[in-house]
Amino acid sequence: GAGVSQTPSNKVTEKGKYVELRCDPISGHTALYWYRQSLGQGPEFLIYFQGTGAADDSGLPNDRFFAVRPEGSVSTLKIQRTERGDSAVYLCASSLGPGGQDTQYFGPGTRLTVL
Amino acid sequence: SQQGEEDPQALSIQEGENATMNCSYKTSINNLQWYRQNSGRGLVHLILIRSNEREKHSGRLRVTLDTSKKSSSLLITASRAADTASYFCATASMDSNYQLIWGAGTKLIIKP
Repeated sequence: GAGVSQTPSNKVTEKGKYVELRCDPISGHTALYWYRQSLGQGPEFLIYFQGTGAADDSGLPNDRFFAVRPEGSVSTLKIQRTERGDSAVYLCASSLGPGGQDTQYFGPGTRLTVL
Repeated sequence: SQQGEEDPQALSIQEGENATMNCSYKTSINNLQWYRQNSGRGLVHLILIRSNEREKHSGRLRVTLDTSKKSSSLLITASRAADTASYFCATASMDSNYQLIWGAGTKLIIKP
């Protein structure tokens, strides 16, 4: 079956612009995660959705970052007033149940470059 | 925050040799998971070992877990060029039923 998909695969934007990153999880997976990964580092947790609600958004670095999952499936990560430090690969993952107990399946990521 | 630490940071071996990577962590865990990542993109789940398990096998992979030392190892036997990738361990804490804590990874290079 289809895995987790993310669009776009690459996004280049200018400092100060607004960007949206999309994640389409595996069908039927209730849990969805956003991570950010910098070069040479492991994934950094951003936010966790269980169904439509954000169960934990403690990893979002500041209020420029926001994520939604209105129908409990597709999720969008929104970044306002982008800064050069936001450049990273943004990874989305989904799991059937809570990811600590269950395998997380990752998408290919979106490489965001802020010029 | 990243609490897992992989060791070594980088490993280069000849094709056919065995590769061993280690992971240490700090908190009590429910399980520990190993993932592989090619070219800095999507992570692929390799194996999950629960806190009450000591060893697990999957094909050419062998994972051990020592909860008394808070450490795990991943052994890849008879390595192949296609095994070249970064390998990460991630721990599921007893305090959270969803969040994984990740290490910085081991970069493995298999020389043909």
